[in-house]
Amino acid sequence: QKEVEQNSGPLSVPEGAIASLNCTYSDRVSQSFFWYRQYSGKSPELIMSIYSNGDKEDGRFTAQLNKASQYVSLLIRDSQPSDSATYLCAVKSPKGAGSYQLTFGKGTKLSVIP
Amino acid sequence: GAVVSQHPSRVICKSGTSVKIECRSLDFQATTMFWYRQFPKQSLMLMATSNEGSKATYEQGVEKDKFLINHASLTLSTLTVTSAHPEDSSFYICSATRLTGYRDTQYFGPGTRLTVL
Repeated sequence: QKEVEQNSGPLSVPEGAIASLNCTYSDRVSQSFFWYRQYSGKSPELIMSIYSNGDKEDGRFTAQLNKASQYVSLLIRDSQPSDSATYLCAVKSPKGAGSYQLTFGKGTKLSVIP
Repeated sequence: GAVVSQHPSRVICKSGTSVKIECRSLDFQATTMFWYRQFPKQSLMLMATSNEGSKATYEQGVEKDKFLINHASLTLSTLTVTSAHPEDSSFYICSATRLTGYRDTQYFGPGTRLTVL
């Protein structure tokens, strides 16, 4: 059973601070890693993808991947109230017969306090 | 990012009726689409994987005769909830896989909120 673990939160940070979201996964052969943002009542929106060890930056977002530790994180700098949402970590891994599956964590609810 | 649409966005129906939900990839061709269900305050649950021109692959516990999936073209997949009951009320979300180079990424549609009375 492939698992993706996230702290459900809520994680509360003041406006302007750095929000740090963490995710661990169980399948060592996982290939691709994604962070989605989901506002209440809406569908997930892709915000970052990362495929190799290290950091990947996109605007205020930085994804970090450590395959040895099976750990992926998302940093949000200069957090804004509009960043308040649930952040889903998703991990892509082989399923066999050339197919793959994307396994989602339960999500971390982030609340940015003005 | 890629654009995926769903129709309808919201549907209310009587128990026993069937509901059809469409998922379209608007600016790319998607050989694979996925259907998810999300109950309030819970995570996404994959229901089935839909491949163009072949039968869908259902996850364990999902009744294939109740949730009919048709992937008619590279841009359209449909989910039909047959003989819907109140316990089928949920948020149904599709996603489509876009291949860019040798990487593929899932993009989600806006979701369909189904309420069965």
